[in-house]
Amino acid sequence: SYELTQPPSVSVSPGQTARITCSGDALPKQYAYWYQQKPGQAPVVVINKDSERPSGIPERFSGSSSGTTVTLTISGVQAEDEADYYCQSADSSGTYVVFGGGTKLTVL
Amino acid sequence: QVQLVESGGGLVKPGGSLRLSCAVSGFTFSDYYMSWIRQAPGKGLEWVSYISISGSTIYYADSVKGRFTISRDNAKNSLYLQMNSLRAEDTAVYYCARDRRTVPSANNWFDSWGQGTLVTVSS
Repeated sequence: SYELTQPPSVSVSPGQTARITCSGDALPKQYAYWYQQKPGQAPVVVINKDSERPSGIPERFSGSSSGTTVTLTISGVQAEDEADYYCQSADSSGTYVVFGGGTKLTVL
Repeated sequence: QVQLVESGGGLVKPGGSLRLSCAVSGFTFSDYYMSWIRQAPGKGLEWVSYISISGSTIYYADSVKGRFTISRDNAKNSLYLQMNSLRAEDTAVYYCARDRRTVPSANNWFDSWGQGTLVTVSS
């Protein structure tokens, strides 16, 4: 079955830039979406369609795509950004939904 | 204000059944696809199933196909998940989510989530 691959963890100091990658063979054909999940809370979408930022999401969150890899970038990381981040997309047919394994962002 | 409230979770023995419900408010339920997504304790998100607006299009993850049934009642603004032949590996928090796949050609993504209901499968 189709998989999206994320690094298990990323660590950055406050004010630095965090980059979280997500790789999958169908990503050139299918959009990617990014969700932030804090402990005990439901996920919240922070990027949709590879690079669109929903209303209410801070400008420091951005997304990009290149070939089979999409990247979530958080510029000027703040302590409140510490969370798990999940990419989500679809298989090549667009039928089945798939989530990446998640990346724990630690703000040092 | 968009609200999704799941209910029906609990402790069930392996091989047992459970029916989850999701009551929605704050938006026109019959305008949206809906999905169930689960998260095992300490693990990542796993998509379970989605259903189209009319209920005519339904897909399941391989891990639940043949055991789970998704349905909806647009008159009651409610989404359901009938879970049969439950296994220990089905233990998870189950979220219902508003799915932005508004037409078959679009992508599924999830802009509103409930707080989840915990299903524990254990003897």
